[in-house]
Amino acid sequence: IQLTQSPSFLSASVGDRVTITCRASQGISSYLAWYQQKPGKAPKLLIYAASTLQSGVPSRFSGSGSGTEFTLTISSLQPEDFATYYCQQLNSYPRTFGPGTKVDIK
Amino acid sequence: EVQLLESGGGLVQPGGSLRLSCAASGFTFSSYAMSWVRQAPGKGLEWVSAISGSGGSTYYADSVKGRFTISRDNSKNTLYLQMNSLRAEDTAVYYCAKDHPPYCSGGSCFQGYFDYWGQGTLVTVSS
Repeated sequence: IQLTQSPSFLSASVGDRVTITCRASQGISSYLAWYQQKPGKAPKLLIYAASTLQSGVPSRFSGSGSGTEFTLTISSLQPEDFATYYCQQLNSYPRTFGPGTKVDIK
Repeated sequence: EVQLLESGGGLVQPGGSLRLSCAASGFTFSSYAMSWVRQAPGKGLEWVSAISGSGGSTYYADSVKGRFTISRDNSKNTLYLQMNSLRAEDTAVYYCAKDHPPYCSGGSCFQGYFDYWGQGTLVTVSS
């Protein structure tokens, strides 16, 4: 299963609403997770089962979608949110990741 | 506190071998599937391999199948990745990652996503 993400790069300001899209090459129901990665650090789990927020993750992060199209939304971008975001499909092996979306400061 | 500590990375020549280890603590190691995920310099994440809690089931990315072997020693709380026939394109930071406990809702159970990651170990394949 191949995953694509759009956009690849996003420039935004603090307080902006940001939406990242992940598309799967075939239907994966809700078998999707989202991660955040900052430079030099391991990824951090944000959302699983497409829309379930991982414990401790701020509520400004939300996920939606099912089938082949999914979105990660940050309702009000904070300075600590500038990072690269990856989706991962959980439907089958190999557990592929999307190519990533880098969120940068405008 | 969950801790995952990778070791064993380094510089190796093309065609060579390397064994990575991941020492786990802070959770019941044998109860969770574990995975290796790698990241080439400046690139995205690539899932490499996974192993069930008992070690009885293993899975591999096509890019490493037949060359890499994942294993675990539950008595030592340690995960391994034996890497043979290494290629330049295997150069990456290798992370071990712990599966999140399965989450079941609406008749579906979700697993294979990672709630804890190690700090990574760098493998460089170069002559």
